[in-house]
Amino acid sequence: DTEVTQTPKHLVMGMTNKKSLKCEQHMGHRAMYWYKQKAKKPPELMFVYSYEKLSINESVPSRFSPECPNSSLLNLHLHALQPEDSALYLCASSQDSSNQPQHFGDGTRLSIL
Amino acid sequence: GENVEQHPSTLSVQEGDSAVIKCTYSDSASNYFPWYKQELGKRPQLIIDIRSNVGEKKDQRIAVTLNKTAKHFSLHITETQPEDSAVYFCAASGWSNFGNEKLTFGTGTRLTIIP
Repeated sequence: DTEVTQTPKHLVMGMTNKKSLKCEQHMGHRAMYWYKQKAKKPPELMFVYSYEKLSINESVPSRFSPECPNSSLLNLHLHALQPEDSALYLCASSQDSSNQPQHFGDGTRLSIL
Repeated sequence: GENVEQHPSTLSVQEGDSAVIKCTYSDSASNYFPWYKQELGKRPQLIIDIRSNVGEKKDQRIAVTLNKTAKHFSLHITETQPEDSAVYFCAASGWSNFGNEKLTFGTGTRLTIIP
């Protein structure tokens, strides 16, 4: 099993809503990542979890709140988002956070009304 | 932090010809350089990677070269096929402000293979 699974695939929410994005992998990887990708741009790192501990937060606004309940799961909790937060949110995992190949999920396409 | 530049931003190649995409990086401590292919509406997929102790790596029609002195690396695709059409991103693994390694991506190259 070499898949990273993300749900939902699409999400439309208002600026006052609270929602969560979910990511799951069963490859035994110990590093998991959240990226944001705008159209025609490269993925932009948001958060890194290594062995279930937050190791990198790239100065992401607090309206994005990551959570790693266990080594297979990664969540991104969303609250009071802005229209400019509309993007493709990609989850990735790697064996560990030290220069290992990262495997991406299909992403959640998020639209903020 | 790391800065990765990628050229060209768009590339059109006749089917069967070769395509070359070039990247430069700024952090001399970077030591891992993956390449990703992203088709429209799909996930980035790792197609090849190279580490700083190696100068070249090949996988069938795809090869990557690394020049550590000049801090640049290149992707070479030979005998291009229509299914090679996609956006290609290079990346370099450098140090974040948190003392961990992180990937910094280039700006992408849209490759179009003309049948």
